[in-house]
Amino acid sequence: EPEVTQTPSHQVTQMGQEVILRCVPISNHLYFYWYRQILGQKVEFLVSFYNNEISEKSEIFDDQFSVERPDGSNFTLKIRSTKLEDSAMYFCASILLRSSYNEQFFGPGTRLTVL
Amino acid sequence: LAKTTQPISMDSYEGQEVNITCSHNNIATNDYITWYQQFPSQGPRFIIQGYKTKVTNEVASLFIPADRKSSTLSLPRVSLSDTAVYYCLVGDMGGGGADGLTFGKGTHLIIQP
Repeated sequence: EPEVTQTPSHQVTQMGQEVILRCVPISNHLYFYWYRQILGQKVEFLVSFYNNEISEKSEIFDDQFSVERPDGSNFTLKIRSTKLEDSAMYFCASILLRSSYNEQFFGPGTRLTVL
Repeated sequence: LAKTTQPISMDSYEGQEVNITCSHNNIATNDYITWYQQFPSQGPRFIIQGYKTKVTNEVASLFIPADRKSSTLSLPRVSLSDTAVYYCLVGDMGGGGADGLTFGKGTHLIIQP
């Protein structure tokens, strides 16, 4: 069964450093998403991406964040200057078409720890 | 966006049927009801989705009354591996695919031997 993959599984960084989290969505999917989940809290939507541009973003997704689909397979989330409060699990998700948009396929997540 | 209310936690035993009810009093005409499951340190996983009456798949059943102001996720004969957080989401299928999902706090289901 096709699945969303994410790398690395765990990333440790120093405050102020840039990090890039990588995702490979399911190959024929068209819509891509990033979510985060701070330990013990809700899963929060960050951004959606379609046709090589951002479709929607939440208030969390400020200027420190950016997304990119650099090639036909990868989908990345960059945090320019990490803060302690960026420590969280980051999940990538994808869907095929708008008709199935509620059935998002999530990756296993990257645990980001900012020291 | 319809607000959802579900119990914070539930306990049950292996082999039992578990029913988790979600209230969504202000559900809109175009809204569908979707349930996700999340294990610790993993991404949410789609379980089931419905609009009205009953939907069943290999994992669960979803019961939706005529007024659609609530829904019940039914897990038959649970096992220890069903211990997870279960989220009820309500949203518009015609949203165009751009909308991010809005998760609440979910129901933490604990299955005991």
